Amino acid sequence: GAGVSQSPSNKVTEKGKDVELRCDPISGHTALYWYRQSLGQGLEFLIYFQGNSAPDKSGLPSDRFSAERTGGSVSTLTIQRTQQEDSAVYLCASSLRAAHEQFFGPGTRLTVL
Amino acid sequence: GQNIDQPTEMTATEGAIVQINCTYQTSGFNGLFWYQQHAGEAPTFLSYNVLDGLEEKGRFSSFLSRSKGYSYLLLKELQMKDSASYLCAAPSGGSYIPTFGRGTSLIVHP
Repeated sequence: GAGVSQSPSNKVTEKGKDVELRCDPISGHTALYWYRQSLGQGLEFLIYFQGNSAPDKSGLPSDRFSAERTGGSVSTLTIQRTQQEDSAVYLCASSLRAAHEQFFGPGTRLTVL
Repeated sequence: GQNIDQPTEMTATEGAIVQINCTYQTSGFNGLFWYQQHAGEAPTFLSYNVLDGLEEKGRFSSFLSRSKGYSYLLLKELQMKDSASYLCAAPSGGSYIPTFGRGTSLIVHP
């Protein structure tokens, strides 16, 4: 693919519902990152994958957040029992390997009502 | 973890030069990144510095001093389209995961 893609682009959900966000990285990129960005804020690191394993999950805000990556490619970020404070833009990025230039997807704007 | 510090906002005039500074913690340094983010869009890569000195890429240059934990992004011949947030990012503690600063919002006016 030409770049990193994410779906959905927008998601509006009710408090307490579960949501699943998807990221398709650039083919061949071994490193994949999830961030979230609240309005006017910087990027908050959530989780990093190297291949299918996640050596660093330190940024996940709570146990309601989980992520997986399969086939060294697609990744899904799942948020269970969403809360209003989860509202943000969730960005996915991939890089050829760690410590390389990151290519970001367009993001998923999550709104929890 | 890493502590990135950069100014919140800067303004400049079209055609001018602007320098955006960034300081970071030096322990376990693994390079420093600059990204540009236009409002409502995803960040895009500008530069990556690992060694001291200035690297020039067209109108944009990035400088690094590892001993001082200091970097700057220099934008020359400013254009209106350069109005954006500029994010400084660096890993720390031997990690390869960059911590992003809050970004410097640059406003270019005519």
